[in-house]
Amino acid sequence: GQQVMQIPQYQHVQEGEDFTTYCNSSTTLSNIQWYKQRPGGHPVFLIQLVKSGEVKKQKRLTFQFGEAKKNSSLHITATQTTDVGTYFCAGLTSGTYKYIFGTGTRLKVLA
Amino acid sequence: EPEVTQTPSHQVTQMGQEVILRCVPISNHLYFYWYRQILGQKVEFLVSFYNNEISEKSEIFDDQFSVERPDGSNFTLKIRSTKLEDSAMYFCASSEAWEAGVSPYNEQFFGPGTRLTVL
Repeated sequence: GQQVMQIPQYQHVQEGEDFTTYCNSSTTLSNIQWYKQRPGGHPVFLIQLVKSGEVKKQKRLTFQFGEAKKNSSLHITATQTTDVGTYFCAGLTSGTYKYIFGTGTRLKVLA
Repeated sequence: EPEVTQTPSHQVTQMGQEVILRCVPISNHLYFYWYRQILGQKVEFLVSFYNNEISEKSEIFDDQFSVERPDGSNFTLKIRSTKLEDSAMYFCASSEAWEAGVSPYNEQFFGPGTRLTVL
């Protein structure tokens, strides 16, 4: 079945350092969404990418969708302690009605 | 700001018992979902629901599971005979639309979850 993997599984960074998580799907996606889950919380929608090669920015966060629409990345510039949490990508394959969540990357930011 | 609500926040049950998890999606949303998350693991899709029908379900969503929208506001997940491995956080989510090509309003809003513990 369809699989969505993320690397790394864990990342510890010093506050102010950059962070990147990569998302890879075994199938071509029609769109991909990114979510953040704080410890003990629920997933919160960050952004959606639809077009091949699309790049979107939200303040210090940069999201990219690969040309083949099978991979995506999230880059955080100059991390802050408020960035702590697990970041999940969720991919939708055209013709299906289910978003498959990636394995997640847990980010810890050391002050 | 509108939000998805779920009750109860924590449910403890004995193996073999039936449980019903309740969700109130955002009022103008048309698409509803159930996900589960075993502690420390990824979010797993269970089922999507639209127009009073299941749109898609995962392999996890076997005959022990059912969903219902009994009235205009509630969306429920029933597990008929719980197993130890059903212990997890169950999240309900809703969205206004489905696919990005149709509408930009397909972000999923998640509820706070129900922690199910099966003893």
